[in-house]
Amino acid sequence: QSALTQPPSASGSPGQSVTISCTGTSSDVGGYNYVSWYQQHPGKAPKLMISEVSKRPSGVPDRFSGSKSGNTASLTVSGLQAEDEADYYCSSYAGSNNPYVFGPGTKVTVL
Amino acid sequence: QVQLQESGPGLVKPSGTLSLICGVSGGSISSRDWWSWVRQPPGEGLEWIGEIYRDGGTNYNPSLKSRVTISIDKSKNQFSLNLSSVTAADTAIYYCASNDYYTIDYWGQGTLVTVSS
Repeated sequence: QSALTQPPSASGSPGQSVTISCTGTSSDVGGYNYVSWYQQHPGKAPKLMISEVSKRPSGVPDRFSGSKSGNTASLTVSGLQAEDEADYYCSSYAGSNNPYVFGPGTKVTVL
Repeated sequence: QVQLQESGPGLVKPSGTLSLICGVSGGSISSRDWWSWVRQPPGEGLEWIGEIYRDGGTNYNPSLKSRVTISIDKSKNQFSLNLSSVTAADTAIYYCASNDYYTIDYWGQGTLVTVSS
């Protein structure tokens, strides 16, 4: 059972936007500004898309954006493209005892 | 840019010890502070296993702490994972990774380890 909660699936047509939520507690998402989002294509390793709630690493398209309100973080993919179809995982720092917790993942389908 | 590569047996017998090595290239293992192991059972989500600081300090997932040892060998530019008393529930893709500012940012390609007799 994952520490963070994500919807199992989300979808949108090409060009549309999709937003994925990631809900935790005040001990993880709500307590730190260290929420990350990862994209994972089948058979591939996760790829960091967003760090520290809303920072995009070099090379990540600006179609990807992150935000947080209270104990819930969100990833928005704007202008959906076929290659955005993948699983997306959120992660949060959760303190020194168990630093990294993950959500169960959300499968994004481009219709 | 750091590159990571996992290596080790793809099959481990129940009650045995799973041992993996992560080779670091593209820079010294001392150039970054923390190095992690993360696993993913087939078709399931990600689970953080533990991490090691460049000077040897460790943190482990409380749910695995009694069975996990992570070590570092700076002379070989690599770090390793040992997971003891394995069962079928430990069957997963194991990733080595690097952390910075409380973010796991660089990942290896992963290696599938199956626990079976």
